[in-house]
Amino acid sequence: DIVMTQSPDSLAVSLGERATINCKSSQSLLFSSNNKNYLAWYQQKPGQPPKLLIYWASTRDSGVPVRFSGSGSGTDFTLTISSLQAEDVAVYYCQQYYSSPSYTFGQGTKLEIK
Amino acid sequence: QVQLQESGPGLVKPSQTLSLTCTVSHGSISRGPYYWSWIRQPAGKGLEWIGRIYGTGSTDYSPSLKSRVTLSVDTSKNQFSLNLRSVSAADTAVYYCARVAGATTHFDFWGQGILVTVSS
Repeated sequence: DIVMTQSPDSLAVSLGERATINCKSSQSLLFSSNNKNYLAWYQQKPGQPPKLLIYWASTRDSGVPVRFSGSGSGTDFTLTISSLQAEDVAVYYCQQYYSSPSYTFGQGTKLEIK
Repeated sequence: QVQLQESGPGLVKPSQTLSLTCTVSHGSISRGPYYWSWIRQPAGKGLEWIGRIYGTGSTDYSPSLKSRVTLSVDTSKNQFSLNLRSVSAADTAVYYCARVAGATTHFDFWGQGILVTVSS
């Protein structure tokens, strides 16, 4: 299995400041034939299901605010929230689909307001 | 847009079979390229993929659960189902159904989830 490791486990950021969450995979998620990274990011608020934010490592899903961005390639990826809003308090997960259908998720990063 | 809704018993006894159904609305379960999946989340923990099914009935399972899991699809009802046999307390979790956007891609729509507790 591809192991996904997120850092940090928890993060407190002031409103309006930048939040950065990292995700590292145990093997490359870059598929050479199409130059795509097989990685997604999800946001999960308390009592709710995960919500897709980013796929192909950097493509925002429809309706996702532009303050959310994804970057990285190969084994190292980052989710950035450029200006933290109160409604962004959540747990964030990365997920690889390179080894589909053996999907694996990171352990999650809890984002709070400082 | 497509909607998914889980249903089934919230309490299952140890050693018995956990059975859940996911009803899909505003989208045909038999239309490709979508797959349909089950994912679970124990309280306060992360997400674990269980398995997926295509509209034709083709299935893939997590290696760690493969010996106990069966997925099935009922295209006439636009539903797919999960059976997990020989459950124990370790199977207590919120179970989500989700749509997979293609054969090798992400989960784009999720159900609200259903809590299943394994206890006598």
